Amino acid sequence: DAGVIQSPRHEVTEMGQEVTLRCKPISGHDYLFWYRQTMMRGLELLIYFNNNVPIDDSGMPEDRFSAKMPNASFSTLKIQPSEPRDSAVYFCASSDREGQPQHFGDGTRLSIL
Amino acid sequence: AQKITQTQPGMFVQEKEAVTLDCTYDTSDPSYGLFWYKQPSSGEMIFLIYQGSYDQQNATEGRYSLNFQKARKSANLVISASQLGDSAMYFCAMREGRSNDYKLSFGAGTTVTVRA
Repeated sequence: DAGVIQSPRHEVTEMGQEVTLRCKPISGHDYLFWYRQTMMRGLELLIYFNNNVPIDDSGMPEDRFSAKMPNASFSTLKIQPSEPRDSAVYFCASSDREGQPQHFGDGTRLSIL
Repeated sequence: AQKITQTQPGMFVQEKEAVTLDCTYDTSDPSYGLFWYKQPSSGEMIFLIYQGSYDQQNATEGRYSLNFQKARKSANLVISASQLGDSAMYFCAMREGRSNDYKLSFGAGTTVTVRA
């Protein structure tokens, strides 16, 4: 079975540019999560969706961050404008409605110069 | 307050020996789940093992077992017969059982280095 698929794997861009991260969850999983991992703060939940609806976005750092899930098989996390402090690894994860373990994608390593 | 505490930032273990990674948690919710994930140097997060708060027996998955001590609020991961490929960062995480809340809280992680 295909796991969670994230793209791109690496992104390097200049400060001020728009960045879009993409995620395809495991088919049949109703929950989708976006995390950010940094050395200083560890793994932080940014936002999660249930059946394509955002449930909790309290972890989103500020208005520069936005996430959408237009359908059950696709989600985006957008940063506009990007700043150097946004540099991190961003993970997408999904799980099914029975609260089974979250399965993570390979992550996107984002560097903002 | 920290929900998940992993007090060991790094550990060394000899190949073929067992290693125990500590995890303590803090919750007032009677229903919760505890998870362990492995993150090798390549960066992906790999689910290892799960323990539910109402599970009567300690969880086991191959060489991984979870030493669940509910009264002490600890959920230590035991890796038996360590292999070089076990060298990685290990994260303990908790999901509290409030209705429809599937958020995970992660600990800071423990780096394991397996020596030949």
